[in-house]
Amino acid sequence: DGGITQSPKYLFRKEGQNVTLSCEQNLNHDAMYWYRQDPGQGLRLIYYSQIVNDFQKGDIAEGYSVSREKKESFPLTVTSAQKNPTAFYLCASSIREGRSDQPQHFGDGTRLSIL
Amino acid sequence: KNEVEQSPQNLTAQEGEFITINCSYSVGISALHWLQQHPGGGIVSLFMLSSGKKKHGRLIATINIQEKHSSLHITASHPRDSAVYICAVRYGGATNKLIFGTGTLLAVQP
Repeated sequence: DGGITQSPKYLFRKEGQNVTLSCEQNLNHDAMYWYRQDPGQGLRLIYYSQIVNDFQKGDIAEGYSVSREKKESFPLTVTSAQKNPTAFYLCASSIREGRSDQPQHFGDGTRLSIL
Repeated sequence: KNEVEQSPQNLTAQEGEFITINCSYSVGISALHWLQQHPGGGIVSLFMLSSGKKKHGRLIATINIQEKHSSLHITASHPRDSAVYICAVRYGGATNKLIFGTGTLLAVQP
């Protein structure tokens, strides 16, 4: 079955460390997204990518970086510059950015905590 | 004020009850999504609609574009329906980016 795989499910980071969250999809989708979810808040867009080798900042990109070297992979790095990284991170994909008739498909998320 | 408001924030129901969750938005949209987030965190897309009404099993979603309002109904609720239900809207125009509500936590008791 096609879908989105995020790993790991739980991740712990020491202060000052960078950490990378994995997101892989086998849906052959062009567009991929990273969201952050905090208690009591709606999901907020960190970065998105419309196509391989292209990505755009979302609403809360500071302290994060991404790459899109392959169509199926969109890893998110939480850098030490992110002051409050403890959150639940969700990856999503859709057939193509701009196709308003297509839903986004979500992964199961990664919960990041600071030690 | 959030661009997408959901009500109620929390809802407890008895098994078998009819449940309604509401979503109001303030921007022009091209589509509205209803999503279900399981206790483990994964999100499933329930509906995507831009007008009228959609039904899938015991779930019904309606939208009124003029009033900028949508409702999600669950008939004959069951404990397995317990989850967070999230409304998300897509801006009008050529974009697939979404604005999310804060979610409604539903608990259905046996």
